[in-house]
Amino acid sequence: QKEVEQNSGPLSVPEGAIASLNCTYSDRGSQSFFWYRQYSGKSPELIMSIYSNGDKEDGRFTAQLNKASQYVSLLIRDSQPSDSATYLCAVNKNNRKLIWGLGTSLAVNP
Amino acid sequence: DAGVTQSPTHLIKTRGQQVTLRCSPKSGHDTVSWYQQALGQGPQFIFQYYEEEERQRGNFPDRFSGHQFPNYSSELNVNALLLGDSALYLCASSSTDTSGNTIYFGEGSWLTVV
Repeated sequence: QKEVEQNSGPLSVPEGAIASLNCTYSDRGSQSFFWYRQYSGKSPELIMSIYSNGDKEDGRFTAQLNKASQYVSLLIRDSQPSDSATYLCAVNKNNRKLIWGLGTSLAVNP
Repeated sequence: DAGVTQSPTHLIKTRGQQVTLRCSPKSGHDTVSWYQQALGQGPQFIFQYYEEEERQRGNFPDRFSGHQFPNYSSELNVNALLLGDSALYLCASSSTDTSGNTIYFGEGSWLTVV
């Protein structure tokens, strides 16, 4: 079992729709959870961080964490073509070493 | 406020050569981590430096070495380059004083080994 798992996609949604990205992790001791967006040829850009169970909203983005079920998700409302990118889930166990999933490719179609 | 800066942005090396990549962390950050990201893969942790010492290391051979300077900047050295070392090398900085462990990345250094 991989430490952090994501569906590789591609996930394709129409413009204006909600995109839902999921991530599961294996280490129950994980404490910090991050979503990064990565455009082709660029470095990852932090989108959201979440540390406690529940939802965290920032603009069009909502991160959801469920530690009991060991999953974290990212919802993107009103998806735009500019949201088309690879979304990387990363998990941290308080040692500042990020464990990454392979990423989910998202395509938002105009 | 300068973010994480890396140099060079792109470079091409020949098999067997050595390369040095450089990173300056975000202002106020004292911890630097290096990641390797091959095409189509998520980043893989190489090592982390804090207080000029290697604090953690991932599953990378000894050909990969690093250093952190008193001003918190860091270098990644790779010896005896292999074709498989071609990747995007990412530097990440964080602060031991920062709650929540937020980590910021530089733009990366693209290494191509031919």
